[in-house]
Amino acid sequence: DVKVTQSSRYLVKRTGEKVFLECVQDMDHENMFWYRQDPGLGLRLIYFSYDVKMKEKGDIPEGYSVSREKKERFSLILESASTNQTSMYLCASRLYKEDEQYFGPGTRLTVT
Amino acid sequence: GEDVEQSLFLSVREGDSSVINCTYTDSSSTYLYWYKQEPGAGLQLLTYIFSNMDMKQDQRLTVLLNKKDKHLSLRIADTQTGDSAIYFCAEIHTGRRALTFGSGTRLQVQP
Repeated sequence: DVKVTQSSRYLVKRTGEKVFLECVQDMDHENMFWYRQDPGLGLRLIYFSYDVKMKEKGDIPEGYSVSREKKERFSLILESASTNQTSMYLCASRLYKEDEQYFGPGTRLTVT
Repeated sequence: GEDVEQSLFLSVREGDSSVINCTYTDSSSTYLYWYKQEPGAGLQLLTYIFSNMDMKQDQRLTVLLNKKDKHLSLRIADTQTGDSAIYFCAEIHTGRRALTFGSGTRLQVQP
């Protein structure tokens, strides 16, 4: 059973703080993704990674960076959190392009 | 660019059929998906269809694909209160590694 876990379900941070969101998958998947989910906007892709140390910008990468030092772990970094980054963040992983994409439970981040 | 659109809300009575609609713009879409998100949870794949198919049935779920109109629908037969959730349409196409999601349709099932 594929499992994608995220380090926190809820997180509250202050404006200007550096924030790390961690995601771990246990099925040796090549591809990992970070999305943010906002009401009425659906899921928007922030960054993805198709291999260790490889990353590509998604549709809304501004204000974010990522790190993938090990195959199973993909981290999303907010260098200086801002209130407009308050959102639900979803991590996902997938083996090949046509395979099912598995999601973590999400991290609800509030930036005050 | 790619765009996937859905209506935001649908309300049905328990036992009725639900039809959730989705339109997409990219004609090179290869796979189209329906995901379900229950409150407080991540997304879970419900079903998917290859772009060379026009229909797929899986128990209470029927997916219809009209490639000419770039229109995808999900029909849920005998809708139950447990079907209340947000349903996302998504597509992936040649030359892109990541899925593009619609805005999600919140299905409310009334007893």
